[in-house]
Amino acid sequence: DTAVSQTPKYLVTQMGNDKSIKCEQNLGHDTMYWYKQDSKKFLKIMFSYNNKELIINETVPNRFSPKSPDKAHLNLHINSLELGDSAVYFCASMGLQETQYFGPGTRLLVL
Amino acid sequence: GDSVTQMEGPVTLSEEAFLTINCTYTATGYPSLFWYVQYPGEGLQLLLKATKADDKGSNKGFEATYRKETTSFHLEKGSVQVSDSAVYFCALRLTGGGNKLTFGTGTQLKVEL
Repeated sequence: DTAVSQTPKYLVTQMGNDKSIKCEQNLGHDTMYWYKQDSKKFLKIMFSYNNKELIINETVPNRFSPKSPDKAHLNLHINSLELGDSAVYFCASMGLQETQYFGPGTRLLVL
Repeated sequence: GDSVTQMEGPVTLSEEAFLTINCTYTATGYPSLFWYVQYPGEGLQLLLKATKADDKGSNKGFEATYRKETTSFHLEKGSVQVSDSAVYFCALRLTGGGNKLTFGTGTQLKVEL
């Protein structure tokens, strides 16, 4: 069974569109994260939720809005997509063992 | 702020060669340290971790020792295989503040026959 899953795996869209990426974890973890990996492979935290409550919000444009309907899901909605948003977005979750488990990533390309 | 510095890649080795990937960190507290591996086209997988000074993490022939005196967590493997070709990320996590991971820039390893 997949521990942390993301959909879609690939997303190609035009500038100015609005898109969402979904993440689900079946590990029973309380904390979930979104990370962004740029074209040089650099990874940076974007958001974190604990039990549906936002606990980390790094310097991310307001066009990015996370939503956690329950503790097993953390979705990422992006408004007015820009070329610079092209990246790989990784979801992760963490439980009491304090090890983060990552999803397979969503490769976003904005044209 | 907290940061992780890794040696730049790519690192190219012949199969069965010895591997070292250097990692040093700067942190205000006492972090836990991690090595993650990313195979081509895949997500990150935890390779090993250490949560306190002098701890040694090990997995799949890889090992790293948490050295507080040198603020380092170098990754080593005695004999690499072609299947070890991947990008390796060193990361730290401080307890509290959401437990976010701070990553190094990643080191690409290429192992050739």
